[in-house]
Amino acid sequence: GAVVSQHPSRVICKSGTSVKIECRSLDFQATTMFWYRQFPKQSLMLMATSNEGSKATYEQGVEKDKFLINHASLTLSTLTVTSAHPEDSSFYICSASMGFGTEAFFGQGTRLTVV
Amino acid sequence: DAKTTQPNSMESNEEEPVHLPCNHSTISGTDYIHWYRQLPSQGPEYVIHGLTSNVNNRMASLAIAEDRKSSTLILHRATLRDAAVYYCILPSGNTDKLIFGTGTRLQVFP
Repeated sequence: GAVVSQHPSRVICKSGTSVKIECRSLDFQATTMFWYRQFPKQSLMLMATSNEGSKATYEQGVEKDKFLINHASLTLSTLTVTSAHPEDSSFYICSASMGFGTEAFFGQGTRLTVV
Repeated sequence: DAKTTQPNSMESNEEEPVHLPCNHSTISGTDYIHWYRQLPSQGPEYVIHGLTSNVNNRMASLAIAEDRKSSTLILHRATLRDAAVYYCILPSGNTDKLIFGTGTRLQVFP
């Protein structure tokens, strides 16, 4: 089946630095990808919709200047957490599908720890 | 988004069938019903989805009520590896955007 690959799976960074997370659709083209964040013992929270060739659409309350999303090709979306702080420590997950009415495929997630 | 309601938790014994309910009384005619599950420290995994008719695949069955206001995910023989949080989701209006609720945490006992 189709696979979405996310990298890195785990990252530790210093406070104030930026971290980039990659999400790739390995065997299909995804014009739209989604980024989620999940805190311990909570559900996934949708952060933004990544649109190939255009600006991302952010959910209410998500800072677009803090969480930069780039979707430069049909198989790659990146999420950059800029000037990371300890409160940004979380589990970040991406997903993609082949369109309305089809199943979604999720990356394995990236655990970000900001120290 | 059409809202879904699921029990917070359910328990099952190994090798017994499990019926996970989901209410979605505000569902519209074009809303698909999706089920995903998430094991600890992993991204969610697709389980099954359907529109009107019941669906079967190698993982589970999806029973959809005639009025489509509720559905049930059926695991025919639970295994310890089925212990996870199960999410019933109706993608946001004619898109593939998934908004996750709190889901049902399934515990499976040996």
